[in-house]
Amino acid sequence: DAEITQSPRHKITETGRQVTLACHQTWNHNNMFWYRQDLGHGLRLIHYSYGVQDTNKGEVSDGYSVSRSNTEDLPLTLESAASSQTSVYFCASSGGAEAFFGQGTRLTVV
Amino acid sequence: SQKIEQNSEALNIQEGKTATLTCNYTNYSPAYLQWYRQDPGRGPVFLLLIRENEKEKRKERLKVTFDTTLKQSLFHITASQPADSATYLCALDNMRRGSYIPTFGRGTSLIVHP
Repeated sequence: DAEITQSPRHKITETGRQVTLACHQTWNHNNMFWYRQDLGHGLRLIHYSYGVQDTNKGEVSDGYSVSRSNTEDLPLTLESAASSQTSVYFCASSGGAEAFFGQGTRLTVV
Repeated sequence: SQKIEQNSEALNIQEGKTATLTCNYTNYSPAYLQWYRQDPGRGPVFLLLIRENEKEKRKERLKVTFDTTLKQSLFHITASQPADSATYLCALDNMRRGSYIPTFGRGTSLIVHP
């Protein structure tokens, strides 16, 4: 069965370190998204991609970057982790309107 | 600015009753609206999609209405069960460059009591 997986599920890192969260989908979807979810804010879009070599900024992209070298993967990099980036991160993919989400990565920046 | 509003207070109902959740939006002209379910510690799961030219959509015990004049969607769960307890998110499309980007409300928590 097709799926979307995120790794790691949990991560603790120190302020200032570079962190990369992985996202891999086997749906063969062109569209992939990264969201963060915080209490009081809901899901907010960080970056999105419409296909290989295409990346775009979302509403909360500062401090984050993504790259899309193949259809299956969209890694999210925190260039220099800050405490404000402590959150739960969700990756999603879609081939049309319906989005399929990963199980999330809980990131704590100390 | 664009806003998607869902009731932040949890909805508590008794098993067997109909749960009704509301999603209001401003400064959007969505082509469609979606509802997702999210359980604690899990990612959202797609439930239903309704298009702008549809007034109502049903799937088993779920019913969604979409009023583009009122800028509102209602999500109903009939004969609710404790297993329906979860957070329900509405999402609007934010179409860019011909592709859809789901933009989410903050969600409403539903608690169904046995």
